[in-house]
Amino acid sequence: EDQVTQSPEALRLQEGESSSLNCSYTVSGLRGLFWYRQDPGKGPEFLFTLYSAGEEKEKERLKATLTKKESFLHITAPKPEDSATYLCAVQGSGSQGNLIFGKGTKLSVKP
Amino acid sequence: GAVVSQHPSRVICKSGTSVKIECRSLDFQATTMFWYRQFPKQSLMLMATSNEGSKATYEQGVEKDKFLINHASLTLSTLTVTSAHPEDSSFYICSALRDRWRAEAFFGQGTRLTVV
Repeated sequence: EDQVTQSPEALRLQEGESSSLNCSYTVSGLRGLFWYRQDPGKGPEFLFTLYSAGEEKEKERLKATLTKKESFLHITAPKPEDSATYLCAVQGSGSQGNLIFGKGTKLSVKP
Repeated sequence: GAVVSQHPSRVICKSGTSVKIECRSLDFQATTMFWYRQFPKQSLMLMATSNEGSKATYEQGVEKDKFLINHASLTLSTLTVTSAHPEDSSFYICSALRDRWRAEAFFGQGTRLTVV
């Protein structure tokens, strides 16, 4: 069974304090691993897709990396506006395109 | 990124009435759309997969007669919650697949349904 586990559940940082979020997964035939940002009361906002181990992608203060078992979302010098819940999801080769989501990491960045 | 519009963003209805939620892909055609449900502090749970021109595929435990899905065109899918009850109150989110092989899925803004 495809499964995604994110840690920590919640993370509090001071502005400028870099850190990483973890996403561990088990999937039969990874087609893609996704990172989304979700603000309260809103739908997920697409950040990155990673397709194979060793791949890395960057966007502003965010950098996503992928291994065969997990993905990391690195946040460098975060700002208060980076506060949100970050969701990780996988799509397996046996799916119709749907995603299996983790429960998310709620990030709070204090000024 | 691609745009997926979901409407309404918030709805309050009386118990026993039906509510329709629309999901539109504005700048691409989506042969496949997905409907998710999210409870507070929980992950998004897939309810059903909607394919244009065919019947939706429902996940185990989801009542297809309560949650009616119609995917009438390549840009529109609707979810109708029939005879809604307070336990149906939740956050419903749609997703449209732009490219199945590259696994590019984009989400609507979500609909907060409250049944009173």
